[in-house]
This record gives sequence, structure tokens and C-alpha cells, in this order.
Amino acid sequence: ETGVTQTPRHLVMGMTNKKSLKCEQHLGHNAMYWYKQSAKKPLELMFVYSLEERVENNSVPSRFSPECPNSSHLFLHLHTLQPEDSALYLCASSQTDRANSPLHFGNGTRLTVT
Amino acid sequence: AQSVAQPEDQVNVAEGNPLTVKCTYSVSGNPYLFWYVQYPNRGLQFLLKYITGDNLVKGSYGFEAEFNKSQTSFHLKKPSALVSDSALYFCAVDNQGGKLIFGQGTELSVKP
Repeated sequence: ETGVTQTPRHLVMGMTNKKSLKCEQHLGHNAMYWYKQSAKKPLELMFVYSLEERVENNSVPSRFSPECPNSSHLFLHLHTLQPEDSALYLCASSQTDRANSPLHFGNGTRLTVT
Repeated sequence: AQSVAQPEDQVNVAEGNPLTVKCTYSVSGNPYLFWYVQYPNRGLQFLLKYITGDNLVKGSYGFEAEFNKSQTSFHLKKPSALVSDSALYFCAVDNQGGKLIFGQGTELSVKP
């Protein structure tokens, strides 16, 4: 049990579908993150929410839409994705007012776009 | 610009032998440095961090890392490798702006 739960674990979707990834953290943290992990590439930070406010958006295409309704939940809404969006999507949380607090990751959602 | 490099895509070690996974960084100011491990079909798990103080940092599962300011390195080490240590290892640097920059990862393979 990592304290950060992601659902679903696997998702296969067509390019015209709409789906959502869900993340929930049980650690009482105040910041949540979405990362994209592709083979042979460094982790790419996509979005950061701190105290439920989006504080970072790393030039992510608009077909990815994050939502953070409260400090424990984070969603990534997906629509009209491309095959190159296939990757492992990792959610993480941390406590930003605790200096150097490490990130706690979920196990990820393996997304395949067909 | 801040960056972190892991020069080896893969490291192969025999069980019982010492292991080293290399990491070098480039960041202005004093860096915060981290190591994470990723087992198959899992997210990343925090192993250890260097903030300040003693250059040798001890972490989970018997791992340690040595901060070397002159060489801008933060290599991960373990005196005696286990087969169960086989995983993907990520070095990361925080430039004190609260943003972690990850290396591309090193795959460690420990053979019996």
C-alpha cells in the first residue's frame, strides 16, 4: 500500500474516446502531481496542484485536462488522444510546507491508445 | 538550466558484489538530491535524499549515496547486491524551487 491509489491500472482507448484517470492520496498531503513515463525517456512533469490550485502546466496538449476537486483527489481527463500518448501515467503527492518532502507515487495507469 | 544525468542505461552485477549506479547533476546553488527505485508494474519509491550535512547518506534497503560537490555527483551504492534489488533507479534533483528533475533511469540487473 503506497498511500497513493490510481485507477484504473490499465486502460485501452481509441482515439475518439473520452476517459478519465483517477488518483487518490491517503497521506494528508497538500500537493498532487501528474507525470508521464515513456520508455527510454525521463519522467515528464505534466501538472502540479498545490492546495487545490494548479501551479504548473508544462505545455501539455489540451487533450489532457486535469481536475483537482480537493486535496485528496486528482483526475486526468482524456479526449481525442494520439497513439504517442500511450505511456504510464503516474500520480504523486507531497507535503510542500515540509522542506524537501519526497514525492509519494501511485502504481500508475498503463494507457494504450489504439 | 538544471539537469541530472545517469550515464548508464543498464548496470549488471553479480549477487553479493558491490553495486554503484551513477548520477551527476547540474544546478545553480545548493541542490537537494534524491534517489528513487521503480519495481516492475509499480510507481517510484523514495530511497534516500541529500539536503545538507554529512556527504554519505543512508537510505532504505541498505542503499547509500555519496554527495560529491566537486564532481557534482551523487552515486548510489550498496556493499552487497541482492537479486531482489533488480529494478529501475532514478536520480532526481530539486533546485530548491520545489520542482524535481529526474534522470532517464538506470536499469539494475543482479544475477545469482
